[in-house]
Amino acid sequence: AQSVSQHNHHVILSEAASLELGCNYSYGGTVNLFWYVQYPGQHLQLLLKYFSGDPLVKGIKGFEAEFIKSKFSFNLRKPSVQWSDTAEYFCAVSTSGTYKYIFGTGTRLKVLA
Amino acid sequence: GAVVSQHPSRVICKSGTSVKIECRSLDFQATTMFWYRQFPKQSLMLMATSNEGSKATYEQGVEKDKFLINHASLTLSTLTVTSAHPEDSSFYICSAREGRGNYGYTFGSGTRLTVV
Repeated sequence: AQSVSQHNHHVILSEAASLELGCNYSYGGTVNLFWYVQYPGQHLQLLLKYFSGDPLVKGIKGFEAEFIKSKFSFNLRKPSVQWSDTAEYFCAVSTSGTYKYIFGTGTRLKVLA
Repeated sequence: GAVVSQHPSRVICKSGTSVKIECRSLDFQATTMFWYRQFPKQSLMLMATSNEGSKATYEQGVEKDKFLINHASLTLSTLTVTSAHPEDSSFYICSAREGRGNYGYTFGSGTRLTVV
């Protein structure tokens, strides 16, 4: 069965620190990859997505993610986090031909001012 | 951008009663809506896929008679939790897909259901 793993459940960083959140999936076929963010008390919002082409994807708010097919990974990065990045981050995968998302368990990021 | 409104945001009901949750796409037509359930400290689990004008497709293990889904129009899908039990207490989230693309779905703000 397809699955998505986010190994970091809780991350605490100071402002200006660099961020990398891991996401690995298990599926051998073509995938579409997404990162969503959920700020406290708010709904899920799309940060970025990858369908094809350049494996380095840039999203909103300075986030980027790199698709490494050989590693089945789609890690999220930001060079310098801000206090306002405190949120929960979800990686999601959908497989070609379906529109169902499989979500990872999420990573709670807390940025200390 | 696309907005999905989910109502109510919180509901408390007694065991044995039914609760209806609405999911509306405000500025686009949603051919497909999805219903998720999120347990504390766990990921979103897809419950069912709802297509306008047809029966919902339920994921394995989800009781279709307990979680009734109706997608009567291109802007509204409802989830009714029937004969609610305390173990149905959870966070329910809907998402909607505009048209036939896969450009990232828009999520509602979720409904916290507590069954007492």
